[in-house]
Amino acid sequence: QQPVQSPQAVILREGEDAVINCSSSKALYSVHWYRQKHGEAPVFLMILLKGGEQKGHEKISASFNEKKQQSSLYLTASQLSYSGTYFCGTGDNSGYALNFGKGTSLLVTP
Amino acid sequence: DSGVTQTPKHLITATGQRVTLRCSPRSGDLSVYWYQQSLDQGLQFLIQYYNGEERAKGNILERFSAQQFPDLHSELNLSSLELGDSALYFCASSVTGGYTGELFFGEGSRLTVL
Repeated sequence: QQPVQSPQAVILREGEDAVINCSSSKALYSVHWYRQKHGEAPVFLMILLKGGEQKGHEKISASFNEKKQQSSLYLTASQLSYSGTYFCGTGDNSGYALNFGKGTSLLVTP
Repeated sequence: DSGVTQTPKHLITATGQRVTLRCSPRSGDLSVYWYQQSLDQGLQFLIQYYNGEERAKGNILERFSAQQFPDLHSELNLSSLELGDSALYFCASSVTGGYTGELFFGEGSRLTVL
């Protein structure tokens, strides 16, 4: 039930773009994205709901393809503060469980 | 500060022992989630409660149990501890019982089993 994230890790220079993908073998009803900095708790970025509703971050966008059971997080013009581990969480038809992937480590260098 | 409080922050114990981790959700949040984070497995969902009732179970071992009390705080009990139980345990809370709402994570409880 754990979604699969790719890539596992990515290194960018400041100003470059990145895409992080999240896929599930089961039907998705929602996708959450969180960022965790080293030694800190995960922090909410965005929720995408079945039907197209989105709630979240101003500078980070995401897509949710219900048919393909996939979501992608788009980080454009990356800043040093974007460094951290990004987790996608997926909700299934139980209505309650939120399962996270293993994370994608992102490092933005000057 | 997310408003979610977890205690203790650090815990060192021996194999075979039993520990209790405590979580106080944000004021007004009825739902509590527990996650285990280890280096190679990411965030593993353990269990979720909503207003005192268990709503979803993930990969929670039989040696682990949890409950949510009438004042909405939650406790995660880990017994017969093994070396592999060493991890960071996060509690998160949410207003809603489903997964349509933002989760607020506590700072975590780091458990070391020697």
